[in-house]
Amino acid sequence: GQNIDQPTEMTATEGAIVQINCTYQTSGFNGLFWYQQHAGEAPTFLSYNVLDGLEEKGRFSSFLSRSKGYSYLLLKELQMKDSASYLCAVKGGANNLFFGTGTRLTVIP
Amino acid sequence: GAVVSQHPSRVICKSGTSVKIECRSLDFQATTMFWYRQFPKQSLMLMATSNEGSKATYEQGVEKDKFLINHASLTLSTLTVTSAHPEDSSFYICSATGLAGVQEQYFGPGTRLTVT
Repeated sequence: GQNIDQPTEMTATEGAIVQINCTYQTSGFNGLFWYQQHAGEAPTFLSYNVLDGLEEKGRFSSFLSRSKGYSYLLLKELQMKDSASYLCAVKGGANNLFFGTGTRLTVIP
Repeated sequence: GAVVSQHPSRVICKSGTSVKIECRSLDFQATTMFWYRQFPKQSLMLMATSNEGSKATYEQGVEKDKFLINHASLTLSTLTVTSAHPEDSSFYICSATGLAGVQEQYFGPGTRLTVT
């Protein structure tokens, strides 16, 4: 089976940095994705990691350690609009995408 | 970027009726489309995977006779919820892949189904 764990909720202050962790145990691994989802909307793509290491894209960075089954999403210079759910998703052996429960991030002034 | 549309965005139907949701890839050919369901404050749950011209592969626990999926062309997949019940009320989201060398799935805007 697939098991993908994330914290349910996080709160951070505008302008700060926040790290959202994701651990996974899946049958097969073909990459890990992070998506952002605002309430009532479809997820939007943030990042993709398939090799170990850090991928940086503007204010967002994502890290992967395949040996540890671990990833994190790092958000810098937080803005109020970053309040959303952040979904960790693993592409399994059959190329299906399995999502974690999502982390609801609230950015406060 | 690649665009995926869904229609309708919202639908209300009576218990016992069927409702069809369309998912279209607007500017690329989608070799594979996925259907997800999302209940309030929960993450996306994969329901089924469909490849153009072949039968859909359903995830464990998803009734294939209740959730009919058709992927008749490279740009269109449909999900029909048959004999809908209130517990089928949910947010249904499709995604598509197909761009060469691109790992990402492109998501549609979702369909909010309410069964009364």
